[in-house]
Amino acid sequence: EVQLVESGGGLVQPGGSLRLSCAASGFTFSSYWMSWVRQAPGKGLEWVANIKQDGSEKYYVDSVKGRFTISRDNAKNSLYLQMNSLRAEDTAVYYCASFLYSSKDYWGQGTLVTVSS
Amino acid sequence: DIQMTQSPSAMSASVGDRVTITCRASQGISNYLAWFQQKPGKVPKRLIYAASSLQSGVPSRFSGSGSGTEFTLTISSLQPEDFATYYCLQHNSYPPTFGGGTKVEIK
Repeated sequence: EVQLVESGGGLVQPGGSLRLSCAASGFTFSSYWMSWVRQAPGKGLEWVANIKQDGSEKYYVDSVKGRFTISRDNAKNSLYLQMNSLRAEDTAVYYCASFLYSSKDYWGQGTLVTVSS
Repeated sequence: DIQMTQSPSAMSASVGDRVTITCRASQGISNYLAWFQQKPGKVPKRLIYAASSLQSGVPSRFSGSGSGTEFTLTISSLQPEDFATYYCLQHNSYPPTFGGGTKVEIK
């Protein structure tokens, strides 16, 4: 069974940092592009970042460039999102997912990040 | 960035109705278009990829069509479990962008 399990969300003050993790199992993690997608409360979906299978290519939405860093450790079947200089508008459920460049569609359950003082 | 405009933003329909949702891209995206379904409190689920390919396990009442700038998602006969919000996504160029969503409610 494919599983993507996110962790690391929580409440953080504006300007603070968080590191999200996503543990993958049930599929060959190293063979897939991986993405982070977020959804602000009551709002639509927003793609945040993705990373190629070997980590050699990374892409970000403009609103997080220079603040967020996506990375992966294929030996640990894990995806990460380091989030710095957090803002109120970063408040959202963050999903780990793999659906780009693939016929497969894998999503985690999401982890809530709340940026508030 | 490519803007994806979905219409309608919300609609009411009855079980058995044929439902069509449209997504327009601000520039040509070939067939790099996917459709997702999301139920309240649940994880998004892809229904269609490459504009018209049915995701494995998705009922055949769902279909997608289009190329270039205009795309449609059709539900041939709406079922009770299909009441949800639907999103299109383009991934022809970075950043991938979602449409604003179409909420399908029970009439």
